[in-house]
Amino acid sequence: AQSVTQLGSHVSVSEGALVLLRCNYSSSVPPYLFWYVQYPNQGLQLLLKYTTGATLVKGINGFEAEFKKSETSFHLTKPSAHMSDAAEYFCALDGGFKTIFGAGTRLFVKA
Amino acid sequence: GAVVSQHPSWVICKSGTSVKIECRSLDFQATTMFWYRQFPKQSLMLMATSNEGSKATYEQGVEKDKFLINHASLTLSTLTVTSAHPEDSSFYICSARPRLAGPYEQYFGPGTRLTVT
Repeated sequence: AQSVTQLGSHVSVSEGALVLLRCNYSSSVPPYLFWYVQYPNQGLQLLLKYTTGATLVKGINGFEAEFKKSETSFHLTKPSAHMSDAAEYFCALDGGFKTIFGAGTRLFVKA
Repeated sequence: GAVVSQHPSWVICKSGTSVKIECRSLDFQATTMFWYRQFPKQSLMLMATSNEGSKATYEQGVEKDKFLINHASLTLSTLTVTSAHPEDSSFYICSARPRLAGPYEQYFGPGTRLTVT
């Protein structure tokens, strides 16, 4: 069975600090992995995705994620947090038939 | 490009009535559309997958007679919540997969907030 686990339902960082949102997955087939961001009362916006090839993936707004097969992880990072990064972040896995979302991590950014 | 719209963005209806939510792909043809439900402060749960011209495939536990999905064209899918009850109140999000897209590609609509009183 496929699953996505996001460690930490809430993460709080100071403005300018490193952002690290953790995601682990389970999949019996090579996964496609995604990070989405959701602002209040809005749909999902794709930040980045891993399909094949380079394991370090760069996305929009300065975010990046590294696919580590040995650790079954796909953690999202950003070197310096901005106030505008405060939102809900979802890690997702697509095994070809449907997308499975993690529970989400709410990122708080303190001034 | 790859814009998906939903209408209405929010709706309030009385218990026992039906409400229809539209999902449109504005600048591409979508052979597959997905309907998700999101409870407050929770993740998205896939309700059903609809393919143009065929019946929707519902996830386990989703009542197909209550949540009617029609994918009548390559740019429009509708979700009708029949005989709505307060427990149907939720945020409903659709996504659309372009015709020639890879298996993972999908674009999300902005969501529809349904409140049943």
